[in-house]
Amino acid sequence: EVQLVESGGGLVQPGGSLRLSCAASGFTFSTYWMNWVRQAPGKGLEWVANVKQDGSETNYVDSVKGRFTISRDNAKSSVYLRLNDLRADDTAVYYCAGGNGWLILTWGQGAPVTVSS
Amino acid sequence: ENVLTQFPGTLSVSPGERATLSCRASHSVGSNFLAWYQQKPGQAPTLLIYGASNRATGIPDRFSGSGSATDFSLTINRLEPEDSAVYYCQQYAASPLTFGGGTKVEI
Repeated sequence: EVQLVESGGGLVQPGGSLRLSCAASGFTFSTYWMNWVRQAPGKGLEWVANVKQDGSETNYVDSVKGRFTISRDNAKSSVYLRLNDLRADDTAVYYCAGGNGWLILTWGQGAPVTVSS
Repeated sequence: ENVLTQFPGTLSVSPGERATLSCRASHSVGSNFLAWYQQKPGQAPTLLIYGASNRATGIPDRFSGSGSATDFSLTINRLEPEDSAVYYCQQYAASPLTFGGGTKVEI
């Protein structure tokens, strides 16, 4: 069974940092592009970042460039998102998602991140 | 950035009817790399359609996608109560990947 399990979410103060992790199982992780997609409370989906199979290429939405860093460890079948300089508008459920090329085939259940003082 | 606009925002339909959801892109979507996702309350999205018209594995043939370039649609035939959800279109042809704002289908 294909599974993505996020962890590391929580409450953080504005300007703070957090690291999200996503553990994959049930598929050949090293063949998938991996993504992070977020959803603010009551809002739609927003793609955040992705990383190529071998980690050699990353892409980001403009609003997080310079603050967030996506990375992966194929030996651990895991993808990470480092979130720095967090702002209130970064509050969202963060989904780990992976797929064939840039097509997202599978999603985790999400990790909530709340930025508040 | 390729902005995707979905309409209508909300669609109220009866069981057994047909629903047609629209998605318009601000720029042509390369290779028709347009996907549709279904999201039910409290759940992660699931892939319905990719490449504008290809059903994902396990998706019933009541769901169909069509369109090209900047205009796409998702049709749901013979609506069932379980189809109540928010539906998102997404282009995966160019970075940044972008989603439409969603259409809520109420049954």
